[in-house]
Amino acid sequence: GDSVTQMEGPVTLSEEACLTINCTYTATGYPSLFWYVQYPGEGLQLLLKATKADDKGSNKGFEATYRKETTSFHLEKGSVQVSDSAVYFCALRPLTGTASKLTFGTGTRLQVTL
Amino acid sequence: NAGVTQTPKFQVLKTGQSMTLQCAQDMNHNSMYWYRQDPGMGLRLIYYSASEGTTDKGEVPNGYNVSRLNKREFSLRLESAAPSQTSVYFCASIGGTTNYGYTFGSGTRLTVV
Repeated sequence: GDSVTQMEGPVTLSEEACLTINCTYTATGYPSLFWYVQYPGEGLQLLLKATKADDKGSNKGFEATYRKETTSFHLEKGSVQVSDSAVYFCALRPLTGTASKLTFGTGTRLQVTL
Repeated sequence: NAGVTQTPKFQVLKTGQSMTLQCAQDMNHNSMYWYRQDPGMGLRLIYYSASEGTTDKGEVPNGYNVSRLNKREFSLRLESAAPSQTSVYFCASIGGTTNYGYTFGSGTRLTVV
């Protein structure tokens, strides 16, 4: 079945440091890929998405590129802020199937300090 | 635009009690989902409803039942709560093509003692 593997956290960075959170997936065909962010005490919010190979999703300074050859969708940001502290989830949605169920990774907690 | 609304936000139950978690969306989405979130395990799908009038089991359905009351509402029921059901529960909905991800509710934090 489909699966998503994320790097273990927590990730602790100083403000203005570079961020990479690794995500790899296993799926048949060409799924759509997503990054969600969860701030403390809140639900998940869509951060960015990519729907085909070599697509780059971007939002709020975060980027991720859909790499079919390595089945990866790593999340990157050049300069993190304290306000980026949250849990980040990688997810995939299969191309086919009526229910469009998303499969999530286990999440990576990011803590940014001054 | 409210999106996905879940009630209640917090609940404490005693073992063996029952309760229903409510979820409603106002985006005219066809598909709705219930997930539970546990530390270190990410989100696990409990039940989903691909369209009004249909429901199907997800990854962890035991101990739960669901009702898709109409297109807007999708409720999750715990008939006899157990401590293992202590978790944060999220409802989500989705519409459109594979280009789109879920819209989530803000969650219900349930503690079973």
